[in-house]
Amino acid sequence: GENVEQHPSTLSVQEGDSAVIKCTYSDSASNYFPWYKQELGKGPQLIIDIRSNVGEKKDQRIAVTLNKTAKHFSLHITETQPEDSAVYFCAATASGSARQLTFGSGTQLTVLP
Amino acid sequence: DVKVTQSSRYLVKRTGEKVFLECVQDMDHENMFWYRQDPGLGLRLIYFSYDVKMKEKGDIPEGYSVSREKKERFSLILESASTNQTSMYLCASHAGQTGNTIYFGEGSWLTVV
Repeated sequence: GENVEQHPSTLSVQEGDSAVIKCTYSDSASNYFPWYKQELGKGPQLIIDIRSNVGEKKDQRIAVTLNKTAKHFSLHITETQPEDSAVYFCAATASGSARQLTFGSGTQLTVLP
Repeated sequence: DVKVTQSSRYLVKRTGEKVFLECVQDMDHENMFWYRQDPGLGLRLIYFSYDVKMKEKGDIPEGYSVSREKKERFSLILESASTNQTSMYLCASHAGQTGNTIYFGEGSWLTVV
């Protein structure tokens, strides 16, 4: 089955700096890659996603890049703010069913004021 | 907005007790899921359901069962709680097509003593 590795497990940045979280996946058939943000005491929420037919997608300060050849995808947050502090999860799926959504182990991002 | 409601946010149960975790979604989604979240392990799928009375095992079903008698409600059952089931449990729902957002509940913190 699919295996998703996520790095780093913790990341601290100064407010205003950029943050990058990377994930690698094992199944070359994976075609959908969402990113979730989990704030303290809450459930994860989708913040951005990308499909395998696109190399990059951007939404304001957040962007995701995908390298299908290398089987990795990354989340980029620019101009970080304290409210970006949270746990971020990447995920990948290779089929038409959400059942096979495999999550990374999570990254605790702390934005220091 | 889609709402996934987990009725119990914090529970403390004794070893051997039967535990019910209830989840309700309000968007008529076909798919519903129960995940377990532990530090460093990400989100692991326990069970999922793609229709009323239909269920499939996820990656870690041992010690758990589920019930889906109505489309909007998905229950997780611990027949005989053990201390290694102390964890955060997340319910989620999904409309059934790859690329649709998975919506999570706020989570249920279970402590087994």
